[in-house]
Amino acid sequence: EAGVVQSPRYKIIEKKQPVAFWCNPISGHNTLYWYLQNLGQGPELLIRYENEEAVDDSQLPKDRFSAERLKGVDSTLKIQPAELGDSAVYLCASSLGGLTRGELFFGEGSRLTVL
Amino acid sequence: RKEVEQDPGPFNVPEGATVAFNCTYSNSASQSFFWYRQDCRKEPKLLMSVYSSGNEDGRFTAQLNRASQYISLLIRDSKLSDSATYLCVVNIGGGYQKVTFGTGTKLQVIP
Repeated sequence: EAGVVQSPRYKIIEKKQPVAFWCNPISGHNTLYWYLQNLGQGPELLIRYENEEAVDDSQLPKDRFSAERLKGVDSTLKIQPAELGDSAVYLCASSLGGLTRGELFFGEGSRLTVL
Repeated sequence: RKEVEQDPGPFNVPEGATVAFNCTYSNSASQSFFWYRQDCRKEPKLLMSVYSSGNEDGRFTAQLNRASQYISLLIRDSKLSDSATYLCVVNIGGGYQKVTFGTGTKLQVIP
């Protein structure tokens, strides 16, 4: 069974440029998460989707970050314009509803470097 | 106070040693608890859930203390392959599935 797929794996851009990350969750997983992880820190939630609805975006910096999950499957996270402090790994995860087993399945992440 | 707190380490232990990590959480309404493992430059993966009565999985034992609001992970007979960062994860659960990760505790098992 295919896991969570993310692209691109690596992205280097100059500040003020836009960037977009794509995520394809595990088939059948209705919950999708975008996390940000800085070096030496744990993942921090940016946004959580239940199907196509964003149910928790309280930590998403909405002035420059946006996300969408059309048709409740794939998702895109966009940053425009990027700032130096946005350099991090952006992790996408998916899970079956309920989280009774707590298992979030993560993609390999998209590592962003802003110069 | 952070919602989930861990000692970042690193914990440097010799092979065969027993090592324990603690994690404290601030929200008494938290309902479920987990330990994830993250290898260097890899994604986090579920290691084990933490049940109220405590649970074991081979060399790993997880315990929950609701009164003091902490969970623990004990690793016996440490292997070189146990070297990783161990993330504590707390889920408030119920109708509000808020999953919060700790900063992680780094373990280095030394030959």
